[in-house]
Amino acid sequence: GIQVEQSPPDLILQEGANSTLRCNFSDSVNNLQWFHQNPWGQLINLFYIPSGTKQNGRLSATTVATERYSLLYISSSQTTDSGVYFCASSNTGKLIFGQGTTLQVKP
Amino acid sequence: GAGVSQSPRYKVTKRGQDVALRCDPISGHVSLYWYRQALGQGPEFLTYFNYEAQQDKSGLPNDRFSAERPEGSISTLTIQRTEQRDSAMYRCASSSSQSTEAFFGQGTRLTVV
Repeated sequence: GIQVEQSPPDLILQEGANSTLRCNFSDSVNNLQWFHQNPWGQLINLFYIPSGTKQNGRLSATTVATERYSLLYISSSQTTDSGVYFCASSNTGKLIFGQGTTLQVKP
Repeated sequence: GAGVSQSPRYKVTKRGQDVALRCDPISGHVSLYWYRQALGQGPEFLTYFNYEAQQDKSGLPNDRFSAERPEGSISTLTIQRTEQRDSAMYRCASSSSQSTEAFFGQGTRLTVV
């Protein structure tokens, strides 16, 4: 099955800084999603992006399906951006998750 | 409903007891998924349904785990003879027939003591 790898595993930023999170996947996919797990444990949908580029406020994402990677950009980070960011992909119906990137934004 | 609803939110049970976790998907969503997430890890797939049919149960760790969705809506994940290693966050997600995008509920935190 698909393997999903995320990098970096941990990231510490000063408030206001920008960052890029990466997700590599091992096979062609028909689903790729980015999630934010907040401190209360809830998984929040950020992007559904099997291919192309999307933007939502300070967040944007790009998936290059032919090269099997996706990038999540966070600009002007805020302390509320802290948490774990997961990438998940699928080509069979079941989403396979990466191990996540733990982001800490310091004031 | 407006979102995926899971109950209970928290469950503490004694080793050896059976537990049933409930998931109520987004209204009209045909696919329903169960995941388990250990502390510090990403969610791991357990099983999924299209309507009432269980399509894939390859992630169920052993025969103590089972799931059903008898009317193609609400689903129940049952763990028999619970063990301490079953302690985890159990997550449910659903998706529509129009898109593969999955939406997750708030999860059930299971603690086996």
